[in-house]
Amino acid sequence: GAVVSQHPSRVICKSGTSVKIECRSLDFQATTMFWYRQFPKQSLMLMATSNEGSKATYEQGVEKDKFLINHASLTLSTLTVTSAHPEDSSFYICSAIVAGGSQETQYFGPGTRLLVL
Amino acid sequence: ELKVEQNPLFLSMQEGKNYTIYCNYSTTSDRLYWYRQDPGKSLESLFVLLSNGAVKQEGRLMASLDTKARLSTLHITAAVHDLSATYFCAVLPKLQGGSEKLVFGKGMKLTVNP
Repeated sequence: GAVVSQHPSRVICKSGTSVKIECRSLDFQATTMFWYRQFPKQSLMLMATSNEGSKATYEQGVEKDKFLINHASLTLSTLTVTSAHPEDSSFYICSAIVAGGSQETQYFGPGTRLLVL
Repeated sequence: ELKVEQNPLFLSMQEGKNYTIYCNYSTTSDRLYWYRQDPGKSLESLFVLLSNGAVKQEGRLMASLDTKARLSTLHITAAVHDLSATYFCAVLPKLQGGSEKLVFGKGMKLTVNP
């Protein structure tokens, strides 16, 4: 099956710093990628939909100026958490849909655990 | 707004027993997904159910979809400890423009005891 990677897998940073998380589709092209956030013992919440070559679409309540998304190529989307605060500590998961495919399946990355001190 | 509800949210069962868990959703959809998540890990795709009456089986798990009742079930047969995990269902609502935004249930934490 299609493989999605995320980097880093785990990051610890100080409050006020910015953190960039990469999501890559390794063996397919993805016109659409999704970013989710999962707090402990909770479900996944969609943050934004990232489309290659265009601006991301953010879900209600997600600050676009705080969570910057760039989808510059068909295999890479990045999420930058700007001026991170402890409440941003969470598990961030991306997923991707195969470009030109049936769009039946989203392939999920392994997740990035962010801890803001 | 699409709502996805899972029942139960927590289940503790003994090895060898059978159980069915449920996923209800509130608006029209013909695509439902089941995922497994182990602690600290991302999601593993289990089943994709694409039509009314769809039934899929993999090992000790069998999933079905009734789009008229807006209900999916995940049946566990002769549970083993390795099935312990959190199981999510997710629904793709029928929206204009072909939006692919999955809506997840809260997840069901399964513990299988020896």
